[in-house]
Amino acid sequence: ETGVTQSPTHLIKTRGQQVTLRCSSQSGHNTVSWYQQALGQGPQFIFQYYREEENGRGNFPPRFSGLQFPNYSSELNVNALELDDSALYLCASSLQGINYGYTFGSGTRLTVV
Amino acid sequence: KNEVEQSPQNLTAQEEEFITINCSYSVGISALHWLQQHPGGGIVSLFMLSSGKKKHGRLIATINIQEKHSSLHITASHPRDSAVYICVGQGNLIFGKGTKLSVKP
Repeated sequence: ETGVTQSPTHLIKTRGQQVTLRCSSQSGHNTVSWYQQALGQGPQFIFQYYREEENGRGNFPPRFSGLQFPNYSSELNVNALELDDSALYLCASSLQGINYGYTFGSGTRLTVV
Repeated sequence: KNEVEQSPQNLTAQEEEFITINCSYSVGISALHWLQQHPGGGIVSLFMLSSGKKKHGRLIATINIQEKHSSLHITASHPRDSAVYICVGQGNLIFGKGTKLSVKP
């Protein structure tokens, strides 16, 4: 089975630009969650997608949006980038249900200058 | 107040020391994950447990659901164990802030 793959691994963007981050879920998983981890902090939940619909959202503004595709891969889009958006963005896939573990990707490190 | 609290925040140990990292949570959860995050960001899921104890190699994780407490133990620690260890409550994954472990040779 393949793990969770995120792309790109590193990215530099300018303030005000838009960015799209991608995540392919582990085979057999139907749920994808996205997290933002600022330097020195624990990951913060952005949102979760299940069967192509948003299934929960953390305290992030609407300029953070996402998509899930029929193959359960997912995108995180951030519009109007701000300097504070610089962080490691992690995605984790799982099979919906309380007893299934999560598989994490290695993350995309976004730097906004 | 974070719903998931870890202690200590930072831990420095000598090689071969027995290490314990603690996690307490204030919300009801059905299961808890222990994650290991190496410099550069890659995360490895170590354990998911909902009761009792799990062991994998030199790592042991325990949980007491009634007391809302979990511990991660590392026996015979090694410098390659140096990483940030994060406990995470099941659900929308409520993360602790992590314990940064440095094991010196």
